[in-house]
Amino acid sequence: AQSVTQLDSQVPVFEEAPVELRCNYSSSVSVYLFWYVQYPNQGLQLLLKYLSGSTLVESINGFEAEFNKSQTSFHLRKPSVHISDTAEYFCALGSSNTGKLIFGQGTTLQVKP
Amino acid sequence: GAGVSQSPRYKVAKRGQDVALRCDPISGHVSLFWYQQALGQGPEFLTYFQNEAQLDKSGLPSDRFFAERPEGSVSTLKIQRTQQEDSAVYLCASRLQTFRDRAPNTGELFFGEGSRLTVL
Repeated sequence: AQSVTQLDSQVPVFEEAPVELRCNYSSSVSVYLFWYVQYPNQGLQLLLKYLSGSTLVESINGFEAEFNKSQTSFHLRKPSVHISDTAEYFCALGSSNTGKLIFGQGTTLQVKP
Repeated sequence: GAGVSQSPRYKVAKRGQDVALRCDPISGHVSLFWYQQALGQGPEFLTYFQNEAQLDKSGLPSDRFFAERPEGSVSTLKIQRTQQEDSAVYLCASRLQTFRDRAPNTGELFFGEGSRLTVL
């Protein structure tokens, strides 16, 4: 069975500090990995994804995630956060043998001034 | 519209009442998904359509839950004899997927804002 675990339910951090949101997965087949973000009162939207190739993927707003097959992880990082990054972040897993995405429990990033 | 549209945005039902939640996907999107999101939790998969075919309904929690997409566009999620544990936000998402795609499961899911169901 496939699963996704987000190790932190809440991550408080001060503005301009670095942040890491952790995600681990379990799967017996090759996976695709995604980070989705949900800003307050909005729907989920794609932040970045890993399909194949380079293990480091980046988003347009400064987030990056690294696929680590040996540690079955896909942690999300940003070197300097802004107040506007306050949101709920979801890690998700897909694969070639199923059309659905499996989501983690979510991590609330709270950026404080 | 440009995005995925869900209605109603909020629904309050008495226990035992039937409810129907509607999803209008992005025009032309082949795949449509329903997820259930309980408070403080991540989205839990319910069911998935490719065009009008329901390819996976393994996440439907009981036979009180039923989904359809008869013409391959709009979808309805129906919950019969609602229970308090059905209270959640129901999310619909669509994905552009063509038969030319080499890896159709890699595409972005576009989510609606959800329908919040409260069962009293």
